[in-house]
Amino acid sequence: GDSVTQMEGPVTLSEEAFLTINCTYTATGYPSLFWYVQYPGEGLQLLLKATKADDKGSNKGFEATYRKETTSFHLEKGSVQVSDSAVYFCALSGRNDDKLIFGTGTRLQVFP
Amino acid sequence: DAGVIQSPRHEVTEMGQEVTLRCKPISGHNSLFWYRQTMMRGLELLIYFNNNVPIDDSGMPEDRFSAKMPNASFSTLKIQPSEPRDSAVYFCASSLVGTGLYEQYFGPGTRLTVT
Repeated sequence: GDSVTQMEGPVTLSEEAFLTINCTYTATGYPSLFWYVQYPGEGLQLLLKATKADDKGSNKGFEATYRKETTSFHLEKGSVQVSDSAVYFCALSGRNDDKLIFGTGTRLQVFP
Repeated sequence: DAGVIQSPRHEVTEMGQEVTLRCKPISGHNSLFWYRQTMMRGLELLIYFNNNVPIDDSGMPEDRFSAKMPNASFSTLKIQPSEPRDSAVYFCASSLVGTGLYEQYFGPGTRLTVT
């Protein structure tokens, strides 16, 4: 079945460092891909998405490109801030499916 | 819009008691999802509804768990009897399926502690 694999955390960075969180997926057909973020004590919220190959989703300085050839959707940010400390979830949705398949989440900790 | 509303935000109960969690989805959304989040198992989909009808309940752990959606603006997740291993944060999410967007909006969660 469909699945999402993302890198283990925690990822610990200093402020202004470059961030990459890897995400790969297995799916039939052409899924939509998402990154969700969960701040402490809150529910998940959509960070960005891409619905077809080569699309780039972006929001709040974060970017991810839908790479069909490598079945990947890696999250990147050029300069992280302390306020970016959170858990990041990669997810996919099949074309004809209401459900989201989530990865296990990657905790990011940014220190001043 | 107020977003997805969940109540209570925190629930502490004793083993064997009945627990009812409540969710009000975003007005106009036609799908509703219940998730459970723990450190050990991460985020798990328990059940989801489309137009108030349960579509997939394969994630419901056992018969002690039940969920209902009597109308488009209200859903409950009930655990009877509760056990300590049910301690987790339970999230409700809603979405407008059929738009091709598939974005789910999450509530703030209910933190359940069973002692």
